[in-house]
Amino acid sequence: GNSVTQMEGPVTLSEEAFLTINCTYTATGYPSLFWYVQYPGEGLQLLLKATKADDKGSNKGFEATYRKETTSFHLEKGSVQVSDSAVYFCALGKNYGGSQGNLIFGKGTKLSVKP
Amino acid sequence: GAGVSQSPRYKVAKRGQDVALRCDPISGHVSLFWYQQALGQGPEFLTYFQNEAQLDKSGLPSDRFFAERPEGSVSTLKIQRTQQEDSAVYLCASSLEGTSGGAGEQYFGPGTRLTVT
Repeated sequence: GNSVTQMEGPVTLSEEAFLTINCTYTATGYPSLFWYVQYPGEGLQLLLKATKADDKGSNKGFEATYRKETTSFHLEKGSVQVSDSAVYFCALGKNYGGSQGNLIFGKGTKLSVKP
Repeated sequence: GAGVSQSPRYKVAKRGQDVALRCDPISGHVSLFWYQQALGQGPEFLTYFQNEAQLDKSGLPSDRFFAERPEGSVSTLKIQRTQQEDSAVYLCASSLEGTSGGAGEQYFGPGTRLTVT
């Protein structure tokens, strides 16, 4: 069945460091891929998404490229800030008709950025 | 509305009690999803509604779990005879159905943290 495997945390970085959080997936068909973020005390928010192979999603300095050949959707940011401290979830969504269907999430990676 | 709201935010139940968790989706959103998030884990799908129709309930862990959305807006997730393993955060998400076949964004509520003692 469909699944998402995400780099385990926690990850601790200094401010302005480079961030990579690995995510790989197993899926039939052509899923959409997402990164969601959960800031302390807040609900899940969509960070970025890509709906087909080679698409690059980007938002707030974060980027991820949908790589079908390696079934990956790694999250990157060139220079992290303290305010990026949060839990990051990679997720997979079905693409059929007009409905996204339910999301399948990875276990989450907790990022702590120190000043 | 401003976003997806859920109530109560926290619920403590004694083992064997019934609980009802409410979700108010964003006005006009056709799709509504319930997820269960155990501590330190990612959310796991429970059930999905399109308007008032429950199209997928494959994630409900047992027949003690029941969800409804009778008028196609507010939804209630009911858990009967709660067990300790039901302790988790229950998340509701809504989505505006896409018309072009693309994947729409799901907007999540803050969740209800259920603790069964």
